[in-house]
Amino acid sequence: AQSVTQPDIHITVSEGASLELRCNYSYGATPYLFWYVQSPGQGLQLLLKYFSGDTLVQGIKGFEAEFKRSQSSFNLRKPSVHWSDAAEYFCAVGGFYNQGGKLIFGQGTELSVKP
Amino acid sequence: NAGVMQNPRHLVRRRGQEARLRCSPMKGHSHVYWYRQLPEEGLKFMVYLQKENIIDESGMPKERFSAEFPKEGPSILRIQQVVRGDSAAYFCASSPVGAGDTQYFGPGTRLTVL
Repeated sequence: AQSVTQPDIHITVSEGASLELRCNYSYGATPYLFWYVQSPGQGLQLLLKYFSGDTLVQGIKGFEAEFKRSQSSFNLRKPSVHWSDAAEYFCAVGGFYNQGGKLIFGQGTELSVKP
Repeated sequence: NAGVMQNPRHLVRRRGQEARLRCSPMKGHSHVYWYRQLPEEGLKFMVYLQKENIIDESGMPKERFSAEFPKEGPSILRIQQVVRGDSAAYFCASSPVGAGDTQYFGPGTRLTVL
């Protein structure tokens, strides 16, 4: 069965520091990969997505992610974190053969930013 | 272009009542997905609908839950005889095409069952 793992439940970084959020998936083929961000009490906003092609994907708000097939990973990075980046981040996979358009989400990583 | 609309944003029901959650997809989107987010958990897929058709309901509980997306009007997620365990945030997403396309999420409906 397909699954997504975000190993870090909570991460705290200092403002201006770099950030990497980990995401690993389990699926027999290459899925479609997404990162979403959720602020408290809000819906999900798409940060970036990977369908095919260049494995380094640029997104909004200065985020990027790299797809590594050999590691079944799609880690999210940002070189310099801003206080407004504090939120919950979800990795998701989709594009499963013969399973319509459903997405499978990881448990989420809550990001706190220290001043 | 307005985003995905959900209403109500907050809904309080007593055990045994019915809950109706509405979702209006983005203009031009004919595919709708419902997800449930339990406290401290990620989102779990419930159902995928196109206009007048249920495409995938593999994530729907077998009893008390139903969904529809009529030819006219919003998609409705209906929960009959709610129980405390139904308390969660319910998110709707829409996409212009089906599998593989980007899903755009609404703000969610937060259901509290007393």
